[in-house]
Amino acid sequence: EAQVTQNPRYLITVTGKKLTVTCSQNMNHEYMSWYRQDPGLGLRQIYYSMNVEVTDKGDVPEGYKVSRKEKRNFPLILESPSPNQTSLYFCASSPTPQGAGIQYFGAGTRLSVL
Amino acid sequence: GEDVEQSLFLSVREGDSSVINCTYTDSSSTYLYWYKQEPGAGLQLLTYIFSNMDMKQDQRLTVLLNKKDKHLSLRIADTQTGDSAIYFCAERASNTGKLIFGQGTTLQVKP
Repeated sequence: EAQVTQNPRYLITVTGKKLTVTCSQNMNHEYMSWYRQDPGLGLRQIYYSMNVEVTDKGDVPEGYKVSRKEKRNFPLILESPSPNQTSLYFCASSPTPQGAGIQYFGAGTRLSVL
Repeated sequence: GEDVEQSLFLSVREGDSSVINCTYTDSSSTYLYWYKQEPGAGLQLLTYIFSNMDMKQDQRLTVLLNKKDKHLSLRIADTQTGDSAIYFCAERASNTGKLIFGQGTTLQVKP
């Protein structure tokens, strides 16, 4: 089954404790992306990747890192989480950045930083 | 800059039609999308429309695009309680592939 898998689904952590949210897709998609969803703001892009070893900042990259060592995986790293990073995070992938580029979304990771 | 605007809330009765509206600013967008988010779930693509189309129909869903006014709407015919969700309008930035989302419209369907 074609899917985007995020882990964990829920995470509560404390300020400053490094964490990683994993994202994996099994569709051989070139394009992957991370968004955060906050009430009243919709979804905003954090980072994206056009292909392996190619990553770039989205609209709200501060406090986040990503890597794309393999095509299927695109982890989101919070080196020193802060309470303003409490949010709902979504990973997405699509075949290419161009064209209809339908993006498939993971189920989301709800993060609370205390 | 890029911006997508939606009203935040819509309430309808079961069996009525729902119309969710959206305005966008990036005239170079070639595709516009509607996503649905049910409580506790991720985003599900409902439909999308290419910018050279005025209308697209898919079963109970009708998308209308007014490119001159940069206005997009989603009509759901015979709305059911299972349609209760948040609906997001989005356009895709042609250079980065980024999806630019509106704030989301919460659709409440009353029995």
